[in-house]
Amino acid sequence: NAGVTQTPKFRVLKTGQSMTLLCAQDMNHEYMYWYRQDPGMGLRLIHYSVGEGTTAKGEVPDGYNVSRLKKQNFLLGLESAAPSQTSVYFCASRGPSEGGHNEQFFGPGTRLTVL
Amino acid sequence: EDQVTQSPEALRLQEGESSSLNCSYTVSGLRGLFWYRQDPGKGPEFLFTLYSAGEEKEKERLKATLTKKESFLHITAPKPEDSATYLCAVQINQAGTALIFGKGTTLSVSS
Repeated sequence: NAGVTQTPKFRVLKTGQSMTLLCAQDMNHEYMYWYRQDPGMGLRLIHYSVGEGTTAKGEVPDGYNVSRLKKQNFLLGLESAAPSQTSVYFCASRGPSEGGHNEQFFGPGTRLTVL
Repeated sequence: EDQVTQSPEALRLQEGESSSLNCSYTVSGLRGLFWYRQDPGKGPEFLFTLYSAGEEKEKERLKATLTKKESFLHITAPKPEDSATYLCAVQINQAGTALIFGKGTTLSVSS
């Protein structure tokens, strides 16, 4: 199993450009999450999904959109990138709560710089 | 407001010098407390989940404990390979919600 994978690993954008970050998981998990990690701020939730076809806003959703068309994929879009969106983006997934397994599994991250 | 605070921000230890990391939390309803390890340039790696006060879990040189207000990650006789940032996170009692993370403690162990 590859676990949680993210593409791309690195990206540099100019202000106003758009891009999509792809997260894929092969663990048949229902729940998927997008976080951003900034120095001194910790990990903050952007959007999340509790199943195929569903999405919900997290703590810092402004400037981002998401889609979960397939259970194994969770896409994060930036329509018009801003320098404030320079960050490291992590995707995570977890299985159902039954059985007590609530831990989230994280991908390796995408480092995004917006100039 | 749900909040997670980790201390210290940074900790330097000599190899073999045991210590503890603290994670204090104020949440409306605790569903679980999680410890992760994060190496530079990588994603967080799951270590432990604790669900109720009094619970303890161990893995090699690490031991996590939980009370009603805080959790400790005890590191016994650390080695340089234990150097990493340790993240604490809580899940509140609401279905589907994500984790609320602390800012982490960066541990450096020198030989």
